[in-house]
Amino acid sequence: DVKVTQSSRYLVKRTGEKVFLECVQDMDHENMFWYRQDPGLGLRLIYFSYDVKMKEKGDIPEGYSVSREKKERFSLILESASTNQTSMYLCASIGDRYSNQPQHFGDGTRLSIL
Amino acid sequence: TQLLEQSPQFLSIQEGENLTVYCNSSSVFSSLQWYRQEPGEGPVLLVTVVTGGEVKKLKRLTFQFGDARKDSSLHITAAQPGDTGLYLCAGPLNNNNDMRFGAGTRLTVKP
Repeated sequence: DVKVTQSSRYLVKRTGEKVFLECVQDMDHENMFWYRQDPGLGLRLIYFSYDVKMKEKGDIPEGYSVSREKKERFSLILESASTNQTSMYLCASIGDRYSNQPQHFGDGTRLSIL
Repeated sequence: TQLLEQSPQFLSIQEGENLTVYCNSSSVFSSLQWYRQEPGEGPVLLVTVVTGGEVKKLKRLTFQFGDARKDSSLHITAAQPGDTGLYLCAGPLNNNNDMRFGAGTRLTVKP
């Protein structure tokens, strides 16, 4: 069965810290995505990656970076966490991005920045 | 401004009632997807609609894609408490299938 695993369900960090959110998928998917989900705003795309070592900015990349050193792993990095980055973060993957395949999501990481 | 506008934002009904939620855009989409998200979990795909005017049924859920492929609706017949969740629509922004999501409709079905 398809599995996208996010390393933490809940995370509390302090302003200014460097924060790493990890996502691993076991489906050999080439395409991986990071979203944040906020009430009333839905899912907003932060960054995505179409292949190892490739990354593309989404709609709200400011304050974030990503790393894709291996196909199965896509990391989201908050370089210097701020309180407005408190949110639910969702990772997703998809095999063929040119088809109508569904995105497979992890269960999310609820991040609080104090 | 959201690319995909969903309405209503919140909906609370009694078990057994019928309901319809909407997903609207000024843009034309090659397809639209509907997801359901339960608390503490990621969204899970319910259906993909591809053809203008298409109607798809999933048990008590009926999905329709507008003729002009700018909108979609989800109708639930005889809602059950198990239908409670956040319903999200999503569509590809371009030919690369980079999906954009609406803000969702949060449905609560009371027993």
